[in-house]
Amino acid sequence: GNSVTQMEGPVTLSEEAFLTINCTYTATGYPSLFWYVQYPGEGLQLLLKATKADDKGSNKGFEATYRKETTSFHLEKGSVQVSDSAVYFCALRRAAGNKLTFGGGTRVLVKP
Amino acid sequence: DTEVTQTPKHLVMGMTNKKSLKCEQHMGHRAMYWYKQKAKKPPELMFVYSYEKLSINESVPSRFSPECPNSSLLNLHLHALQPEDSALYLCASSQAPYRRSETYEQYFGPGTRLTVT
Repeated sequence: GNSVTQMEGPVTLSEEAFLTINCTYTATGYPSLFWYVQYPGEGLQLLLKATKADDKGSNKGFEATYRKETTSFHLEKGSVQVSDSAVYFCALRRAAGNKLTFGGGTRVLVKP
Repeated sequence: DTEVTQTPKHLVMGMTNKKSLKCEQHMGHRAMYWYKQKAKKPPELMFVYSYEKLSINESVPSRFSPECPNSSLLNLHLHALQPEDSALYLCASSQAPYRRSETYEQYFGPGTRLTVT
């Protein structure tokens, strides 16, 4: 079946540090890949997506590249801010169907 | 407008109560979803409606009863819940795929935090 594995948190960083959150997946076919962010007390917001191999999704300074050869979709940001403190979920969806498969989530804490 | 709204924001109910959660979107999406999220866990899919018809039920207990009265509204009726059902309930919507090759992102609401006493 499909599965998504993320690095466990919490990840604690200082402001302006470089952030990487690893995400690898197992799926048949060619899934679409997503990163969602959940700020404290809120629902999930779509951060970025990629629908085919070598696609790069980007938004708000975050980037992730769909790497089919390593089945990975790592999230990166060059300079984090305190406001980036949140839980980040990697997810995939097969082309057929509506189901999202989520990773376990990674909590990120950015300190001033 | 990419907003999904949910009411109420918080709900406390006893195990013998009947209550309903409501979700609304005006993006013209024809697929709507209910998820359950426990603390420090990812969301778990409960139900999917596609074109106002139930298309996925992830073996959810019958004490949870979904309803999609029209393309903009989604309800979750609750009856005889257990304390372990306390969680954040998230609604989401997306365009409904017409072809296997299509995939559309899901937009989530802020959730209803449910406490069962």
